[in-house]
Amino acid sequence: QVQLVESGGGVVQPGGFLRLSCAASGFTFSSHGLHWVRQAPGKGLEWLAFLRYDGSNENYADSVRGRFTISRDNAKNTLYLQMNSLRAEDTAVYYCAKEGIRGAGPTYMDAWGKGTKVTVSS
Amino acid sequence: DIVMTQSPDSLAVSLGERATINCKSSQSVLYSSNKKNYLAWYQQKPGQPPKLLMYWASTRESGVPDRFTGSGSGTDFTLTISSLQAEDVAVYYCQQYYSTPRLTFGGGTKVEIK
Repeated sequence: QVQLVESGGGVVQPGGFLRLSCAASGFTFSSHGLHWVRQAPGKGLEWLAFLRYDGSNENYADSVRGRFTISRDNAKNTLYLQMNSLRAEDTAVYYCAKEGIRGAGPTYMDAWGKGTKVTVSS
Repeated sequence: DIVMTQSPDSLAVSLGERATINCKSSQSVLYSSNKKNYLAWYQQKPGQPPKLLMYWASTRESGVPDRFTGSGSGTDFTLTISSLQAEDVAVYYCQQYYSTPRLTFGGGTKVEIK
């Protein structure tokens, strides 16, 4: 079955950086687009970024555009999120999620990882 | 961006009773060319990631019990749990995918047992 396992979270100071990873298995990784979604403590879901199956056409939410970069390594079945210039408001659990409609671009998400926690604090 | 507004914020329903969650979008998510509503529903149980329940507003994801029903069109949508079970305690979110790539979620509705 589809498995997505995020890692790389932790505590970082404001202005710092982190790189999150999402290791995928159970499906043809190179054929599916992937999302990053976050959830601040006690809050709802916020879509952050999407990358097509072939690594083209990056899409970002306004809140992270210019600070975060989504990328993937299809040879390693891994999705990444490089997060720079981190702010306190970036504190959240970060989920990777698989696209629900193959090749259709950002739509809904039909499988989610368990998330990795990022805390931005001095 | 399309703003998704859910109501109520929370509700408490007796076991076996009906639970109704509403989701309203700030503009229509009905695509005229294919007559599909670009709306999904997710369930998030405590301490777990979200799980897809419904897409195209009313298509149940594989494995989702048929007590869950999605309805509505245009700007107004409803997720109904026909007979609430203990395992349905969760927060439910709607999400539009009409205005891509700017995907947006509703604020969530918490369902509890009365």
